[in-house]
Amino acid sequence: DAGITQSPRHKVTETGTPVTLRCHQTENHRYMYWYRQDPGHGLRLIHYSYGVKDTDKGEVSDGYSVSRSKTEDFLLTLESATSSQTSVYFCATGQGGGQPQHFGDGTRLSIL
Amino acid sequence: GENVEQHPSTLSVQEGDSAVIKCTYSDSASNYFPWYKQELGKRPQLIIDIRSNVGEKKDQRIAVTLNKTAKHFSLHITETQPEDSAVYFCAASMGSGGSNYKLTFGKGTLLTVNP
Repeated sequence: DAGITQSPRHKVTETGTPVTLRCHQTENHRYMYWYRQDPGHGLRLIHYSYGVKDTDKGEVSDGYSVSRSKTEDFLLTLESATSSQTSVYFCATGQGGGQPQHFGDGTRLSIL
Repeated sequence: GENVEQHPSTLSVQEGDSAVIKCTYSDSASNYFPWYKQELGKRPQLIIDIRSNVGEKKDQRIAVTLNKTAKHFSLHITETQPEDSAVYFCAASMGSGGSNYKLTFGKGTLLTVNP
């Protein structure tokens, strides 16, 4: 969707380095989500936010942290990247209340 | 927590045939069921959704049905075309908001429409 921007779109880094992915929205949606997508696993929720400074864990949160200091931005940080975190990462936003989530274009992250 | 099972994992049909993808969910409190289409290398995009107060919804060649008693919902695509080839994901969520509003996704179905 035009209102969701992920950066960077591609990144290659080495094991043990910190990595931060950014999701920026112009939709003023309350909810923001980080997913990872791997073959055979579909979309798995890492962390999500239900308001500024309000975040919670998803099903695969180990090794990841998030921050949301303003409505528009949701950051995903890998403190010390591992090869198992090589994946495609999608950000999504939504209004909640039975409304759909809309996805960004994804970040392809490779950890060597 | 919620668990969503999706079948089949792959589906191959001839152009013009119908395709059906089925999902089951575990939590009877779930009340919102969207379907997403993801083309290769692209983001998932919403194609249709249904809420628990409705049994069926149609949008041109696409329809979704919901059976709350059996806790399953299905995507039906009629008159399939090669451009329908993609991975399709079902999802389920519960609640109207608050701190616990999230989707649980099925693992996806790779649909191939052969010309």
